[in-house]
Amino acid sequence: GENVEQHPSTLSVQEGDSAVIKCTYSDSASNYFPWYKQELGKRPQLIIDIRSNVGEKKDQRIAVTLNKTAKHFSLHITETQPEDSAVYFCAAITGFQKLVFGTGTRLLVSP
Amino acid sequence: DGGITQSPKYLFRKEGQNVTLSCEQNLNHDAMYWYRQDPGQGLRLIYYSQIVNDFQKGDIAEGYSVSREKKESFPLTVTSAQKNPTAFYLCASSIGGLVDTGELFFGEGSRLTVL
Repeated sequence: GENVEQHPSTLSVQEGDSAVIKCTYSDSASNYFPWYKQELGKRPQLIIDIRSNVGEKKDQRIAVTLNKTAKHFSLHITETQPEDSAVYFCAAITGFQKLVFGTGTRLLVSP
Repeated sequence: DGGITQSPKYLFRKEGQNVTLSCEQNLNHDAMYWYRQDPGQGLRLIYYSQIVNDFQKGDIAEGYSVSREKKESFPLTVTSAQKNPTAFYLCASSIGGLVDTGELFFGEGSRLTVL
């Protein structure tokens, strides 16, 4: 079945710096890759997603890139702010329409 | 106000007892899911249901059971057969198949502690 690996597990940056979180997946048939943000004590929420027919997608300070050949995708956050501090999860969909999540990255943005 | 409601928020259980976690949604979503969240392990799928009266096992279904008698309800029972039930449980729903419609909408979670 699908396996999603996520790195790093923790990431500390200064406010205004960029942050990059990387994920790899194993199932070459996967074709949908969402990113969820979970603030402390709150529910996960979708922040951006990408489908396999697209190489890059941007939404203001957030972007996601996908390399199908290498089977990896990344989340890029520019001009980080303290409110970006949260746990971020990547995910990939299997052929049976189940989302498999990565293990999460705890991002800490210091003022 | 539409959304997903999970109850209880906190639950304590003695070993050997079954407990049922409630999940109700008023989003008119067809699909519902149960995930387990443990520190450092991300979200793991327990069961999912794409339509009323039908559900499928996820990756860690052993020791759990579900029912989907109504579109808006998807309760999860943690049985005494679950060896390590202490965890944070998240219920979610989606409009339809994830490939087509994407987003999972999560509840606020239920934290189960086995004493």
